[in-house]
Parts: sequence; structure tokens; C-alpha cells
Amino acid sequence: DAGITQSPRHKVTETGTPVTLRCHQTENHRYMYWYRQDPGHGLRLIHYSYGVKDTDKGEVSDGYSVSRSKTEDFLLTLESATSSQTSVYFCAIRGGGAPGEPHPVETQYFGPGTRLLVL
Amino acid sequence: SQKIEQNSEALNIQEGKTATLTCNYTNYSPAYLQWYRQDPGRGPVFLLLIRENEKEKRKERLKVTFDTTLKQSLFHITASQPADSATYLCALRSNFGNEKLTFGTGTRLTIIP
Repeated sequence: DAGITQSPRHKVTETGTPVTLRCHQTENHRYMYWYRQDPGHGLRLIHYSYGVKDTDKGEVSDGYSVSRSKTEDFLLTLESATSSQTSVYFCAIRGGGAPGEPHPVETQYFGPGTRLLVL
Repeated sequence: SQKIEQNSEALNIQEGKTATLTCNYTNYSPAYLQWYRQDPGRGPVFLLLIRENEKEKRKERLKVTFDTTLKQSLFHITASQPADSATYLCALRSNFGNEKLTFGTGTRLTIIP
């Protein structure tokens, strides 16, 4: 599983409350990603990071912010959660492509996901 | 606009037969295309990557083809088994950068014993 963990794994919250999801990797990879997955839409990129303090928006970034103060941690924050943000959130890292790594550098390894319900 | 279509939302195949999944795309010029497997409640797992200058790639019972003229990739599982039941996603390098992928919505494959 490429050493990626997500926390919490499940969360129920109320509309208007802030929520922070954490992604932690032990592989020292530069690129990290946050996706959401919804029926009929598939995986959609929210934000990604290409290094400490270096982040950029994805396809569905409105209502989300991210931070990366350490290589190993990438945080996703919903400043004021809405019901439309009910989803499954996945974190991913980009394959290293280093000698001995099984997969090309262009591939992504995913975490186990966080199921978020906003009531 | 850019679009990735996986032609079947769900596909049922008899055990032992070959399952063929399709990924079509428009308004992309991908340098490569990837296939992932996703089991219920888990994150996607990388299976195969095929580059634009490759026509075919194989890994055990899996075979991927890539036709940049037709803008299509076919994903085959030969001698299918119930354990192959999962959702399969294709993914393309985004037009906006090599570091991002855009995913199709997936095909849910069920292998019937």
C-alpha cells in the first residue's frame, strides 16, 4: 500500500463545521494528491502538492483548502462543510520511478480512503 | 472539452471467458494511459501503463491495447475468475501537466461462476 495512511477513516459532521482530513506517507514522495469519488463522477482531483508548501488546484477545488508543511503530511480542509461535500476522499502519491521500484513514475498509489458524511 | 468514457457501467462475464473493457477519450493527446483496479471500500490499485508508442502491453492474464488514432484503449482479462470482479478505471495524463491524471468513471466487472 506504499505506506499511505488516511485519518480519520470515517467521519460524520454537521453543515457549517470545519473538517480536516490527513494524509500521511512514509515514502518521501514529492507529489501528493487529494481526490473525491462520487457515483457517476468517478475520481476527481481536488488539490495536489508538488513539494513542501507547494500546492495547486485541481478540477473541483472550490470549498477546499490544503496545506503541506512536511513532506510526509498533506492536509485537506473543508472550511465550512456542506452536504455536497459528502463523499469518499482519497489521497494518493505519485510513483517514484526509482531503480527497484515496481511501477513507473507516472503511476499513483492510493490511500484507503476517508468516508465523510455531512448532515 | 476533454472527456473520458468507459463504455459500460457494469459488465457481467462468465468465468473462464475473456472480459474486454473499453476506454474512449476525446480532446486529449495523452503520452500514456493507465488502468487501475478498485475493490469496494478500497483505493484504486495500479495495474498497467501503456505509452503512446506502444500498441500492446501484457501482464499475466491482462492485456492492454492503445490506439491513438481511434482514441481508444481496450483492457482484456483472459481466463477470467470470480476474484477478478472489481471496478476498473482508466486514467489519462492531464493535458495540463504530466503530474496529474484524469480518471474515467469506471466499469464494474462481475465474473459469474
